[in-house]
Amino acid sequence: AQTVTQSQPEMSVQEAETVTLSCTYDTSESDYYLFWYKQPPSRQMILVIRQEAYKQQNATENRFSVNFQKAAKSFSLKISDSQLGDAAMYFCAYRSYNTNAGKSTFGDGTTLTVKP
Amino acid sequence: EAQVTQNPRYLITVTGKKLTVTCSQNMNHEYMSWYRQDPGLGLRQIYYSMNVEVTDKGDVPEGYKVSRKEKRNFPLILESPSPNQTSLYFCASSLSMLHEQYFGPGTRLTVT
Repeated sequence: AQTVTQSQPEMSVQEAETVTLSCTYDTSESDYYLFWYKQPPSRQMILVIRQEAYKQQNATENRFSVNFQKAAKSFSLKISDSQLGDAAMYFCAYRSYNTNAGKSTFGDGTTLTVKP
Repeated sequence: EAQVTQNPRYLITVTGKKLTVTCSQNMNHEYMSWYRQDPGLGLRQIYYSMNVEVTDKGDVPEGYKVSRKEKRNFPLILESPSPNQTSLYFCASSLSMLHEQYFGPGTRLTVT
């Protein structure tokens, strides 16, 4: 079974600075998808960024980018120019493509605090 | 507006009283899924459905039932709720299993 580990339960960053949230996963599959979701205090889950495992190029979405290291099974999220609105819990998620198609596994989350 | 809706948003019930949490999406998505979120445990998948009449167990299916009779609806049924099913429940949908999921607003369930 796939596992997703977020080793940082809590992180903090100063407004306008950069922070990196870590995520590692364990899988024997070669095809899969990885996601970062944001959960603000409203509890609504919001997609931040998505990465297909077959793509070597790291995904970027405005101030959000990932460092995807397939061999190391690492998928970190970098938030540049942090804003107060970035304060939330962030979840790393894995989606199977083949063997367990349809299954999704989430990490335990990292709570990000943004200091003004 | 494209969305996933869940009802009720909050529910307090007693042990053993059957309940259903509804989930509906208006995006014509094939894939739907249910998760529970508990403090320190992230989201854990309960059941998922790749299409109408096709459902599969996730990681924590015990004590839950689902059905997918229509593409847009995916209700979660607790036949005999117990206190350990007190949790925050999320329904999600996606165009297919390869796409990002859109989540409902969550249902806070308390079983006493």
